[in-house]
Amino acid sequence: NAGVMQNPRHLVRRRGQEARLRCSPMKGHSHVYWYRQLPEEGLKFMVYLQKENIIDESGMPKERFSAEFPKEGPSILRIQQVVRGDSAAYFCASSPILIHNNEQFFGPGTRLTVL
Amino acid sequence: DAKTTQPNSMESNEEEPVHLPCNHSTISGTDYIHWYRQLPSQGPEYVIHGLTSNVNNRMASLAIAEDRKSSTLILHRATLRDAAVYYCILFGPQGGSEKLVFGKGTKLTVNP
Repeated sequence: NAGVMQNPRHLVRRRGQEARLRCSPMKGHSHVYWYRQLPEEGLKFMVYLQKENIIDESGMPKERFSAEFPKEGPSILRIQQVVRGDSAAYFCASSPILIHNNEQFFGPGTRLTVL
Repeated sequence: DAKTTQPNSMESNEEEPVHLPCNHSTISGTDYIHWYRQLPSQGPEYVIHGLTSNVNNRMASLAIAEDRKSSTLILHRATLRDAAVYYCILFGPQGGSEKLVFGKGTKLTVNP
């Protein structure tokens, strides 16, 4: 059973370009979470999605950021018109069902660098 | 969000036990105590979790105080690979917002 997969692992964008980060959850997992880790900082929750639904986006910046988890295919975190402050590691996690007696499985992350 | 307090850093020697403390005095009755760790340049990794009773798995043990206001993650024999930031997280029903709230964690250094 493959773990959570994220691609690309490293992404370089120039200011103003778009960044698309993909996350394939573990097989059978229908809950996906995105977290961001700025340089020398802790992990911060961004968004929680179930298939085709955004459940909690309280951690998403109000502009330029969006996320989706379609019925088929990976979850996508999209950052439009990137700025240098978006440079960070973006981690995706998944879980099979929502109970708190359960762990979240994290992917290896996508490291975004904005030039 | 429920809060946890951990020391910023701890140091251990290889093959010795390590006790990582966590205080969570505002824990609610429905909060599970989860521990994750993050090795350098990697994603977080689940370690262990518990509710009231002490827990053991292949990675570690979790000792939970009787009043649940504190817990201790125990690594029985530290290895160099255990050098990581360890996060103690309270995870429970949040009214639809089911996120892990990471604090600063404890950076564990393991000396050879």
